[in-house]
Amino acid sequence: NAGVTQTPKFQVLKTGQSMTLQCAQDMNHEYMSWYRQDPGMGLRLIHYSVGAGITDQGEVPNGYNVSRSTTEDFPLRLLSAAPSQTSVYFCASSLYNSGNEQFFGPGTRLTVL
Amino acid sequence: AQRVTQPEKLLSVFKGAPVELKCNYSYSGSPELFWYVQYSRQRLQLLLRHISRESIKGFTADLNKGETSFHLKKPFAQEEDSAMYYCALIRSSARQLTFGSGTQLTVLP
Repeated sequence: NAGVTQTPKFQVLKTGQSMTLQCAQDMNHEYMSWYRQDPGMGLRLIHYSVGAGITDQGEVPNGYNVSRSTTEDFPLRLLSAAPSQTSVYFCASSLYNSGNEQFFGPGTRLTVL
Repeated sequence: AQRVTQPEKLLSVFKGAPVELKCNYSYSGSPELFWYVQYSRQRLQLLLRHISRESIKGFTADLNKGETSFHLKKPFAQEEDSAMYYCALIRSSARQLTFGSGTQLTVLP
């Protein structure tokens, strides 16, 4: 099993550009989530999904969109990148909810100029 | 709303010394608490959870509801324990984890 995979590993964007961060898992997990990691602020939840076709907002959803068309994939879209979105982004999955052990991807380091 | 506080951003101890990483939470109900760890160049991973009442890699954590704390302890630190540690909480009725800001532990030789 590959576990949770994320692409790309690194990305540099200009302000106003859009892009999609990819996340996939092969463990048949129902719950998937996106976090951003910023120094001194820990991990903050952006969006999450409890199953295919169901998504909801987390703590810091503004500027991001998600969709969950399949159990395996949970892409995160930046609509119009801003320097404040410079961060490390982690995707995670777990069996039913975040009370189960969450398995994290390797992260995507995004810089917005 | 629930909140998780890790008061120490950085913590350094010498090899063989005891280590305690502090975690305090604010939540009036019955939370579930976790410690996640991120070693250098590795993925964030679950270290332990309070409902399991287990010891992982020599670490233990006891939930103290009176003091609303879930401190992580190890009697004899090892250099390989150097990592970023995150305390996290989930409400019994919710699906989202709330993470603390993390403590970077460095174990000196």
